Amino acid sequence: DTEVTQTPKHLVMGMTNKKSLKCEQHMGHRAMYWYKQKAKKPPELMFVYSYEKLSINESVPSRFSPECPNSSLLNLHLHALQPEDSALYLCASSQTQTGAGTGELFFGEGSRLTVL
Amino acid sequence: AQRVTQPEKLLSVFKGAPVELKCNYSYSGSPELFWYVQYSRQRLQLLLRHISRESIKGFTADLNKGETSFHLKKPFAQEEDSAMYYCALSAQYNFNKFYFGSGTKLNVKP
Repeated sequence: DTEVTQTPKHLVMGMTNKKSLKCEQHMGHRAMYWYKQKAKKPPELMFVYSYEKLSINESVPSRFSPECPNSSLLNLHLHALQPEDSALYLCASSQTQTGAGTGELFFGEGSRLTVL
Repeated sequence: AQRVTQPEKLLSVFKGAPVELKCNYSYSGSPELFWYVQYSRQRLQLLLRHISRESIKGFTADLNKGETSFHLKKPFAQEEDSAMYYCALSAQYNFNKFYFGSGTKLNVKP
């Protein structure tokens, strides 16, 4: 299995709702990522988990709360979002390597979020 | 700070013509450079990385540290090459930090 699976594919939520985006991979990758992509813009890094620990938070507002329950799963909990948070949220994974050299990013198809 | 610049938002060429997608970067250390591609209705995927020095689907890219560039080239474009191309940089000492350029949409006309 060489895929990253994201659910749901589409999500519409109000500003007072609480929802979650889910991501799963079974490639044995120990680094998992959340990216945000607005229309016609590049992916913007939000969070990185390495060995189930949060290693990078790119100053993301607290209304986005990531969680990595185990090495195969990554969640993004959403609460009190704003309409400008509407975007495609991409999950990715990669092997982790020590020292120089990096791994390939494997992306999911994304969860398209609309905040009303 | 790391920055990846792709100056062209859209590049249109005819089938069989050479194509070059430009990418310049700024980084104080020795980054890893990549090209990612997104075909219509498909997920973002790796095309090639500079450390591999490989040719994928006829595309090559050479890292020029003097000019801080990593341009993507193909001598004869095909219609199936039409896609969105992103240049990406990974930091030397924080290799989980991948940064993407703004992307270039390549349109290969018949």
